[in-house]
Amino acid sequence: AAGVIQSPRHLIKEKRETATLKCYPIPRHDTVYWYQQGPGQDPQFLISFYEKMQSDKGSIPDRFSAQQFSDYHSELNMSSLELGDSALYFCASSQDREGTDTQYFGPGTRLTVL
Amino acid sequence: AQSVTQLGSHVSVSEGALVLLRCNYSSSVPPYLFWYVQYPNQGLQLLLKYTSAATLVKGINGFEAEFKKSETSFHLTKPSAHMSDAAEYFCAVSSVYGQNFVFGPGTRLSVLP
Repeated sequence: AAGVIQSPRHLIKEKRETATLKCYPIPRHDTVYWYQQGPGQDPQFLISFYEKMQSDKGSIPDRFSAQQFSDYHSELNMSSLELGDSALYFCASSQDREGTDTQYFGPGTRLTVL
Repeated sequence: AQSVTQLGSHVSVSEGALVLLRCNYSSSVPPYLFWYVQYPNQGLQLLLKYTSAATLVKGINGFEAEFKKSETSFHLTKPSAHMSDAAEYFCAVSSVYGQNFVFGPGTRLSVLP
């Protein structure tokens, strides 16, 4: 079965640079979530989109922005990167009509900021 | 507001022994509860979920969990641990009204030969 795809899988950036992470949800899933997992930490919710509109916002820094496109893929844009942004970034998708809000996670993008 | 606590950041069991990972939640609305497993350098894989149907939920790899409303718990169990079960386990809560997940801090399970 198709899963959530994230690209790139690994990314190395320097401080003050920008990064763009991409997420391709499971086909027919219309909701996308972004999470940040710091070293040894639990995943923290950043932001979510339903039908291309922002549906919820968590602890996402102002330096970050995200959007969901017409094909339901989503991009997380990160600017003015800081050392503390080094983390594993997960995307998850769900099919809202399913009614259970089970989220299926991608493999993650490991961002390292030097 | 919702929150999840997992008692024990690290649990060690012998191969073949019972696995018990504890999860307690707090939610002001009816919860949906989930257990995810994360193997080293990998993503989060759904083990099982409770969505207001049967209180005893069976998942993959022989795991099961029981929702106990009176105890606000959703502990994860497996009768016999296998070496391949060594991983980080996260309990998460959502709600019937469709919200983002709140994860617990995770429990690292080690399986000793």
